[in-house]
Amino acid sequence: EAQVTQNPRYLITVTGKKLTVTCSQNMNHEYMSWYRQDPGLGLRQIYYSMNVEVTDKGDVPEGYKVSRKEKRNFPLILESPSPNQTSLYFCASKAGDLYNSPLHFGNGTRLTVT
Amino acid sequence: GENVEQHPSTLSVQEGDSAVIKCTYSDSASNYFPWYKQELGKGPQLIIDIRSNVGEKKDQRIAVTLNKTAKHFSLHITETQPEDSAVYFCAASIWETGANSKLTFGKGITLSVRP
Repeated sequence: EAQVTQNPRYLITVTGKKLTVTCSQNMNHEYMSWYRQDPGLGLRQIYYSMNVEVTDKGDVPEGYKVSRKEKRNFPLILESPSPNQTSLYFCASKAGDLYNSPLHFGNGTRLTVT
Repeated sequence: GENVEQHPSTLSVQEGDSAVIKCTYSDSASNYFPWYKQELGKGPQLIIDIRSNVGEKKDQRIAVTLNKTAKHFSLHITETQPEDSAVYFCAASIWETGANSKLTFGKGITLSVRP
């Protein structure tokens, strides 16, 4: 089954403790991206990757890092999480250059930072 | 950058009635407008999209209309059913070859269909 898999689904952590949210897709997609969803703010892009070893900032990249060493994986790293990073996070992927290639989302990771 | 406004923020309709959700965008260069449905506990899923060279597109009970002059587009759901209850997001992007076709999303609308 074609899918984007995120882990974990739920995560509670404390301020300053480094964490990684994993994302993997099995559709051989070139493009991957991370979004955060907050009440009243919708979905905002954190980082994106056009292909392996190519990453760039989205609209809200502060406090996050990503890497794209393999085509299928795109982990999101929070080096020193803070309470304002409490949010619902979505990883997404799509085929690279197709005009209306749909963005496929994972089921989300709900992160709470205390 | 692009700004997408979505209204209303909540909408409640009786089963069988129609629902219309409206979005406006700010960047006249935007040329791709998808709609996503998000069910509880899941990620958003594409339900229909439209390109800027098309004024209307239909898929069974769902249709999307685009007015480029006014810079607004709308989602129309006819004969609503309880399973249509979800959060709906509109989005806009400027598609270019080799570029980040970043979607700018509206804030979402919660649609409730009353049985």
